[in-house]
Amino acid sequence: SQQGEEDPQALSIQEGENATMNCSYKTSINNLQWYRQNSGRGLVHLILIRSNEREKHSGRLRVTLDTSKKSSSLLITASRAADTASYFCATDVNAGGTSYGKLTFGQGTILTVHP
Amino acid sequence: DGGITQSPKYLFRKEGQNVTLSCEQNLNHDAMYWYRQDPGQGLRLIYYSQIVNDFQKGDIAEGYSVSREKKESFPLTVTSAQKNPTAFYLCASSIGLAGDQETQYFGPGTRLLVL
Repeated sequence: SQQGEEDPQALSIQEGENATMNCSYKTSINNLQWYRQNSGRGLVHLILIRSNEREKHSGRLRVTLDTSKKSSSLLITASRAADTASYFCATDVNAGGTSYGKLTFGQGTILTVHP
Repeated sequence: DGGITQSPKYLFRKEGQNVTLSCEQNLNHDAMYWYRQDPGQGLRLIYYSQIVNDFQKGDIAEGYSVSREKKESFPLTVTSAQKNPTAFYLCASSIGLAGDQETQYFGPGTRLLVL
């Protein structure tokens, strides 16, 4: 079963609005990552947040992590048409404090930003 | 997509045929991964390799085989035992054992179709 579950499955907004996507996971993690995928392309890494961090920023991206609720959110502020893509969260597995590099991906949120 | 190449972009397989997907990276990364993505779904791990001449099964290894004879190359063979091979296949790499191994860098993908 998928470790990460994204919500919503699809999100449609107007340019300039903020977009918020959520991710829930089941087991203890070392870190959580967000990736972006344009249609028919490979994934691009956006941001990584470690289990001891609560919030992280990168440009127009803001990621939060709540390990007590096993959830994370990705906020894209002032969205642009070029932000249209699928967004995936990915978690590693905290196996006794060691990450073996394996990631488990959620099913993704499809974001459409209308000009 | 930078640093990782996958070929071909599209691949057609006939019934009972084995086909091999190529993945090459020039990032000097130790770890490499193969994922399968079905329409509207997240990524599922097929095989991964953390070092040359060693690889491990992922979550859906049945019907697939890999080799890791060189650090920069991690080819995936889809065998005739894989009954539903139509999917988008993504290769990724990460720094691996030498350092921060969590972030993965993806190739552009190969779309496999069955004739």
